Amino acid sequence: GAVVSQHPSRVICKSGTSVKIECRSLDFQATTMFWYRQFPKQSLMLMATSNEGSKATYEQGVEKDKFLINHASLTLSTLTVTSAHPEDSSFYICSARGQHRNWSLARFYEQYFGPGTRLTVT
Amino acid sequence: QKEVEQDPGPLSVPEGAIVSLNCTYSNSAFQYFMWYRQYSRKGPELLMYTYSSGNKEDGRFTAQVDKSSKYISLFIRDSQPSDSATYLCAIKAAGNKLTFGGGTRVLVKP
Repeated sequence: GAVVSQHPSRVICKSGTSVKIECRSLDFQATTMFWYRQFPKQSLMLMATSNEGSKATYEQGVEKDKFLINHASLTLSTLTVTSAHPEDSSFYICSARGQHRNWSLARFYEQYFGPGTRLTVT
Repeated sequence: QKEVEQDPGPLSVPEGAIVSLNCTYSNSAFQYFMWYRQYSRKGPELLMYTYSSGNKEDGRFTAQVDKSSKYISLFIRDSQPSDSATYLCAIKAAGNKLTFGGGTRVLVKP
């Protein structure tokens, strides 16, 4: 299967600081990337969708000025949590969707998820 | 009513038994159906992906879709303790956005 990596896997920060989380697709070109958050024992909540080179589309209730998303290349998207507060503590997961690097393979990858980043704001 | 309903479990089965999971959905525009497995504190792993009614088999996993009833299932044969995880169904219409079920926690006891 396709590989999507996330960095860091875990981060602890102080209230008021900003945190950047990276999501990379390792063997395919991710034309679309998604950012989710997941609270304990709950399902995934989509925060935003980003297409390479375009502004992200945020779900209702998600503050775009607080959760900055950049999708500058076909293999990298970043989520920056600005002025983080304890209520932002959660498990953040990205997923990617796109075409294999070798277009001749004509292989399309439906959403593959990264391993997640656990953010704790103290 | 949620767009995708899934029993949260937990579903406890003995090793070697068949695990039967299902989801129901309400939006007839949904066309693509996926099952993910998620271990604790990890990202979901795509298990099965299908877009037509009927059965699709991959190793010990069988995905079943009944569009007329808006009902999808995942069966795991010869279950192993390593299959203990939360299983999420995910469905989408044409386009990008997935709609997830709440997940079913499965425990396979040795």
